[in-house]
Amino acid sequence: EAGVVQSPRYKIIEKKQPVAFWCNPISGHNTLYWYLQNLGQGPELLIRYENEEAVDDSQLPKDRFSAERLKGVDSTLKIQPAELGDSAVYLCASSIYPGGEQFFGPGTRLTVL
Amino acid sequence: GQQLNQSPQSMFIQEGEDVSMNCTSSSIFNTWLWYKQDPGEGPVLLIALYKAGELTSNGRLTAQFGITRKDSFLNISASIPSDVGIYFCAGQLGAGGTSYGKLTFGQGTILTVHP
Repeated sequence: EAGVVQSPRYKIIEKKQPVAFWCNPISGHNTLYWYLQNLGQGPELLIRYENEEAVDDSQLPKDRFSAERLKGVDSTLKIQPAELGDSAVYLCASSIYPGGEQFFGPGTRLTVL
Repeated sequence: GQQLNQSPQSMFIQEGEDVSMNCTSSSIFNTWLWYKQDPGEGPVLLIALYKAGELTSNGRLTAQFGITRKDSFLNISASIPSDVGIYFCAGQLGAGGTSYGKLTFGQGTILTVHP
């Protein structure tokens, strides 16, 4: 069974440019999470989806970050415009239900120059 | 955002030695979990603890859920080179709120094992 798929794996952009990350969760997993992992830190939740509904986006900086999961399957996280401080790894995870085991993808490493 | 207090930050040990790391929180969690992250990969679940006082083993790994529900420890016995990586603790709240399922992570313990 395929795990959580994320693309791209690496992205280098200049500040003020837009960037988007894509995640395809494990088949049948209704809950999808986006986490931000800064260097030397543990992941921090940005947003959680139950099917296509964002049920916890309290940690998402809404002035520049947006996310969508239109059909309740794959999801896109966007930053516009990117800032230097956005350089980090963006992890996607999925679980069958909210309290279930979360399976993480390999992440997208973003570098903003 | 909130992060759990995990210690030590790093450990350098010889192959065959035992390792212990712990995690504390100012908040109560319903579930404690321990993850391992290899370079360029996402965290992988090692052990999940669901009940205060619970002691659980997974091969050479043993973890305990503190009685106060505010702490947990992980022990690795007879370390081997493939144990190298970053270990994270995480706390998870129970059902009943928008934060259900949210994982709050520690800062990680970097483990280096010398052959």
